Amino acid sequence: KAGVTQTPRYLIKTRGQQVTLSCSPISGHRSVSWYQQTPGQGLQFLFEYFSETQRNKGNFPGRFSGRQFSNSRSEMNVSTLELGDSALYLCASSLVGTGEYGYTFGSGTRLTVV
Amino acid sequence: ELKVEQNPLFLSMQEGKNYTIYCNYSTTSDRLYWYRQDPGKSLESLFVLLSNGAVKQEGRLMASLDTKARLSTLHITAAVHDLSATYFCAVDGSSNTGKLIFGQGTTLQVKP
Repeated sequence: KAGVTQTPRYLIKTRGQQVTLSCSPISGHRSVSWYQQTPGQGLQFLFEYFSETQRNKGNFPGRFSGRQFSNSRSEMNVSTLELGDSALYLCASSLVGTGEYGYTFGSGTRLTVV
Repeated sequence: ELKVEQNPLFLSMQEGKNYTIYCNYSTTSDRLYWYRQDPGKSLESLFVLLSNGAVKQEGRLMASLDTKARLSTLHITAAVHDLSATYFCAVDGSSNTGKLIFGQGTTLQVKP
């Protein structure tokens, strides 16, 4: 059974650019959550999508956005990149987002903003 | 707002010793998760605890949940070097909408 696939694995971008990250959940899972991990702030929740609808959003500026497609694949977009956006971005897949079966994380995308 | 605190944040121990990592959280929740993260890697699920009194064991690790005390513990028995990693606990931060609130993480270093 394939796991959670995140692409790309690594990205280097320049300040002011925008970036799109992709997450393909486990087959049959309909919930995808996104997290940002930095040494200073730890793991922080960005947003969650279920059946193409955003159900929850963390405390991040509007530059961070996402969407989910009908096949449950999700993308997150960061516009006008800042140095502080450098982080490991993780997505988590779950059946319906209620946690009974846990959340499976992808390998992450490491974004470096220069 | 829900807060999750782990202690200790750093733990250096000898192989063969036992130790416990504590995870406290600030509001009512009956779902708690433990993850392991190796340097530069993603989060590996260790335990899913879904009710008060839940206890789960896998190898040298055992996790428990006391929802009344808002406390979970991860007990390490006879540590081995391969257990060196960072361990995170996480609590469901909202009603069934996939939001986890993580603790700061505990970095475990097991010395041979």
